Amino acid sequence: NAGVTQTPKFQVLKTGQSMTLQCAQDMNHNSMYWYRQDPGMGLRLIYYSASEGTTDKGEVPNGYNVSRLNKREFSLRLESAAPSQTSVYFCASSEYSPGYTFGSGTRLTVV
Amino acid sequence: EDKVVQSPLSLVVHEGDTVTLNCSYEVTNFRSLLWYKQEKKAPTFLFMLTSSGIEKKSGRLSSILDKKELFSILNITATQTGDSAIYLCAIRSDQNQFYFGTGTSLTVIP
Repeated sequence: NAGVTQTPKFQVLKTGQSMTLQCAQDMNHNSMYWYRQDPGMGLRLIYYSASEGTTDKGEVPNGYNVSRLNKREFSLRLESAAPSQTSVYFCASSEYSPGYTFGSGTRLTVV
Repeated sequence: EDKVVQSPLSLVVHEGDTVTLNCSYEVTNFRSLLWYKQEKKAPTFLFMLTSSGIEKKSGRLSSILDKKELFSILNITATQTGDSAIYLCAIRSDQNQFYFGTGTSLTVIP
């Protein structure tokens, strides 16, 4: 099925560990995004990529890095995980059609 | 500062009730307003509104935009337990950036 695929769905990390969240879309969209969702905070933009080869910081970029590997893939890396990064992470893509298409989310717990 | 404010933050109603969810915004270079429904996983798209005063309707859900007063409402009539979800409002700018509200959590009791 066409859409946005995120992996993994669940992850538990120890403080200081690193990991990469993977995201791929097969809709030929130019723009891709990483959001985190925390209770009472709504969706907050971490990084986005308007097109292949470009990335920009969003509202809460500290502690994260991203790579737009090609038009399909946009990964999010936590170099040294902290408990404050416990959250649900969503990848999304968009083009000039209405709204986003979201991935199913990654529930990350940092202990 | 660009912002999107939704109210109420949470709402509990009985099946059959009608609810109105509010979204106000201050976003430069407004392009469109979008409503999403989020149940257990990712948000799913409901409506996109670009013009004032034109109601969008899908079954028991409807929405309208007022670009002069900078707000939108989402109405749900004859609510059902399956309507229980978080409803997110987002603004899309001309630069293809999205600004989300914190959402309204709706619980429909049988």
